[in-house]
Amino acid sequence: NSKVIQTPRYLVKGQGQKAKMRCIPEKGHPVVFWYQQNKNNEFKFLINFQNQEVLQQIDMTEKRFSAECPSNSPCSLEIQSSEAGDSALYLCASGGLSQNTLYFGAGTRLSVL
Amino acid sequence: GDSVTQTEGLVTLTEGLPVMLNCTYQSTYSPFLFWYVQHLNEAPKLLLKSFTDNKRPEHQGFHATLHKSSSSFHLQKSSAQLSDSALYYCALTSLNYGSSGNKLIFGIGTLLSVKP
Repeated sequence: NSKVIQTPRYLVKGQGQKAKMRCIPEKGHPVVFWYQQNKNNEFKFLINFQNQEVLQQIDMTEKRFSAECPSNSPCSLEIQSSEAGDSALYLCASGGLSQNTLYFGAGTRLSVL
Repeated sequence: GDSVTQTEGLVTLTEGLPVMLNCTYQSTYSPFLFWYVQHLNEAPKLLLKSFTDNKRPEHQGFHATLHKSSSSFHLQKSSAQLSDSALYYCALTSLNYGSSGNKLIFGIGTLLSVKP
């Protein structure tokens, strides 16, 4: 079973509302990724962290999405103003620095009505 | 840039027949290749990853060989089981983080459907 914990499993929001989801990475993993898996099951990279620092993020993430991984607290991904196209499964993954392997949580399924 | 290609969107097999799911890649630097499996409503789970010493990784009857000459990492199993029905993703990350960053780049996935 995955040791990456994501909450909530399901999230329903209206357009324009904020949507926030959380991720507790596997203990000892300094690297955290967020991916969006759309209705066609395609993975889209959103942002990644090493410890608390952002390594990379895509444009979409810079504009409407915000994410953080504070020390001693869950990581979070927040959509400031949800759009219908944001409906997707949001996957958090964590990994070690030297292994190049990511371990995924079960995801938060966001539905924007 | 780095990329992963999975040519089959859907593979339908009868139980007991061999499985082969295709994966080819483009990478500027030496890559690590992975296969992830995702069952319905579950997290993607690591199935296999390539080794740097050309060993062939195996797990749950699946195996894959990294062929740098053909840039391929096809997934194979000698005999499909009903429980193998799932989405399979080939993924790549580069040893040199300057190329793909340290992103894991996924293919579009292949849905394997095993029928009795």
